Amino acid sequence: EAQVTQNPRYLITVTGKKLTVTCSQNMNHEYMSWYRQDPGLGLRQIYYSMNVEVTDKGDVPEGYKVSRKEKRNFPLILESPSPNQTSLYFCASSHSGGLETQYFGPGTRLLVL
Amino acid sequence: GENVEQHPSTLSVQEGDSAVIKCTYSDSASNYFPWYKQELGKGPQLIIDIRSNVGEKKDQRIAVTLNKTAKHFSLHITETQPEDSAVYFCAGITSGTYKYIFGTGTRLKVLA
Repeated sequence: EAQVTQNPRYLITVTGKKLTVTCSQNMNHEYMSWYRQDPGLGLRQIYYSMNVEVTDKGDVPEGYKVSRKEKRNFPLILESPSPNQTSLYFCASSHSGGLETQYFGPGTRLLVL
Repeated sequence: GENVEQHPSTLSVQEGDSAVIKCTYSDSASNYFPWYKQELGKGPQLIIDIRSNVGEKKDQRIAVTLNKTAKHFSLHITETQPEDSAVYFCAGITSGTYKYIFGTGTRLKVLA
C-alpha cells in the first residue's frame, strides 16, 4: 500500500531534550515536506526537500533541522524543544513537488513541557 | 510574503444544503490551487485542484472556481452529507517554487 508513515504518533517530552520524528514514504517520491498545524493558523511549512541531499526552509524553520540522506526518509529533528513547538506535525510527499498532489502522513502530536 | 486567506473558519449547514468556502491569495504568480480535506485524526487528503488556466472544475458533488483577476478561488459542495463534515484547507502554489502556502482551514459541520 502506498503510504507515508510517521513515528511516533504521540510524544510528550521536556524542554531541551533532543528528539527526532521519523518520516518514510514508499512511493519513490522525490519531494518531501514537513508541516506543523496549530489552531487558527492552519498548516505551515517547516522544511522541504526536492531530492536527496537537497533541502530548503519553509515559512517556520526556526528551531528545527532536517536531513535527506535517502530518498524514502525525511526525519525532523528538534535539537532543543521548547513549549512553543507543541503542535501537530505532518510529513508529506509528492512525485516531484510543485503543481501536484501531496500525500500526507497520519500526523505526530507533540507536547513539550 | 505570500499569503492565503480562508473564510469562514467554521461553517454549519443542514444535510442536503450547499456549502461554499472561499480563499484569497496574494501572489499573482500562483498558478495551482488544491483543496484538501482533513478528517478527524487523519492527515489532509486532496479532494480537488485547479490550475490557473482553468476557470472551473467539477467532480461529482464538489467544484472549484477560480477568479484570477480578483485572486480568489472557492470550493463548492452540493447536496452535503454527514461524511462531508471535516476541516477543509485551500492552498496556493507558484510554479517553479516548492513552497506550499495553506489557508487557515474551515471546519465544516453537516447537521443531519
